[in-house]
Amino acid sequence: QQPVQSPQAVILREGEDAVINCSSSKALYSVHWYRQKHGEAPVFLMILLKGGEQKGHEKISASFNEKKQQSSLYLTASQLSYSGTYFCGTEGSARQLTFGSGTQLTVLP
Amino acid sequence: EAQVTQNPRYLITVTGKKLTVTCSQNMNHEYMSWYRQDPGLGLRQIYYSMNVEVTDKGDVPEGYKVSRKEKRNFPLILESPSPNQTSLYFCASSTRANYGYTFGSGTRLTVV
Repeated sequence: QQPVQSPQAVILREGEDAVINCSSSKALYSVHWYRQKHGEAPVFLMILLKGGEQKGHEKISASFNEKKQQSSLYLTASQLSYSGTYFCGTEGSARQLTFGSGTQLTVLP
Repeated sequence: EAQVTQNPRYLITVTGKKLTVTCSQNMNHEYMSWYRQDPGLGLRQIYYSMNVEVTDKGDVPEGYKVSRKEKRNFPLILESPSPNQTSLYFCASSTRANYGYTFGSGTRLTVV
């Protein structure tokens, strides 16, 4: 089952903040976040692990509520380069990575 | 350079003509996976593999086959393509569970 992402789309001005949410109906071992720019492949942003460990390499933060099986991605002081479609992916006990339908983020000057 | 290589990038074919999309990674990754991307539906997993000779169905496996005879290669086979398999396909790999995936550049397939 695909995780559910919200909102489907968001438009903001450079410097504003945004939050993207991801929820799953199944128990999770980890939550991934990826960004895809138009015409390109998805690029890994970060992973949040059961137990609280976070692995990533970009200046974007996220949280993972294991009890609620929810994750949120926080983009603060958005830059033009943040525009793209953001996908959350969830790993359950089978280690299968299932993606949500995506959130289209547009940052305007 | 560490990468996942897919070929071809673009392919137009006719209904029923068998085709193979190749995927190769040079990072010695254990995990490999195939996804298709359609507007409004996000990335849907077709098949995944956790090691050589170990493959399992994803969410939309019908009409597809895979094999994992070598660690680096994970080809996607369409035995008898149909127009509803027209899509953008991505191969991805990861070193193991709980690590991020690296995606290939994608293969845009059109079946007429």
